[in-house]
Amino acid sequence: AQSVTQPDIHITVSEGASLELRCNYSYGATPYLFWYVQSPGQGLQLLLKYFSGDTLVQGIKGFEAEFKRSQSSFNLRKPSVHWSDAAEYFCAVGPSTGGFKTIFGAGTRLFVKA
Amino acid sequence: EAGVVQSPRYKIIEKKQPVAFWCNPISGHNTLYWYRQNLGQGPELLIRYENEEAVDDSQLPKDRFSAERLKGVDSTLKIQPAELGDSAVYLCASSLGQGNNSPLHFGNGTRLTVT
Repeated sequence: AQSVTQPDIHITVSEGASLELRCNYSYGATPYLFWYVQSPGQGLQLLLKYFSGDTLVQGIKGFEAEFKRSQSSFNLRKPSVHWSDAAEYFCAVGPSTGGFKTIFGAGTRLFVKA
Repeated sequence: EAGVVQSPRYKIIEKKQPVAFWCNPISGHNTLYWYRQNLGQGPELLIRYENEEAVDDSQLPKDRFSAERLKGVDSTLKIQPAELGDSAVYLCASSLGQGNNSPLHFGNGTRLTVT
């Protein structure tokens, strides 16, 4: 069965510092991979997605993520965090062959300190 | 484009009472999803519609939950009767295509509190 693990429940970084949020998945083949962001009281917004090709994908708001097949990981990065990036971040996977169920990780809450 | 619209934003009810949530997807999006998000968790799929057909309702607790999407546009999700454990945020999402390469567009959700 496919699953998504986000090992960090919460992370605190200083404004201007770099950020990396971890995501590991379990799936028999290469899945479709997504990162979503959820601000308090809001729905989820897509940051970026990986389907195939270049393993480093660029998203909105200066975020990027790298797919590493050997590690079954899809970590999210940002070189310089802004206070407005404080939110909850969800990694999600969906099967690339058959089936239509996107599964979400439990999320990582990002705190940004001045 | 207008986003996914959900109402109400908040709902507080006593247990055993009925409750309904409404969702209007993005125009042209044939696929509609209802997710439940428990506190501190990611969203979990309850039901997925392709137009007016429910094509995946395997995670919907059918003894108390029901959903409909008449005319393949708006959708309602109902709980009757509500239980304390139903307290959660109910998210509606829509997508343009059917496959997993169609990103989900979420509404702001309805926060349900059952007392």
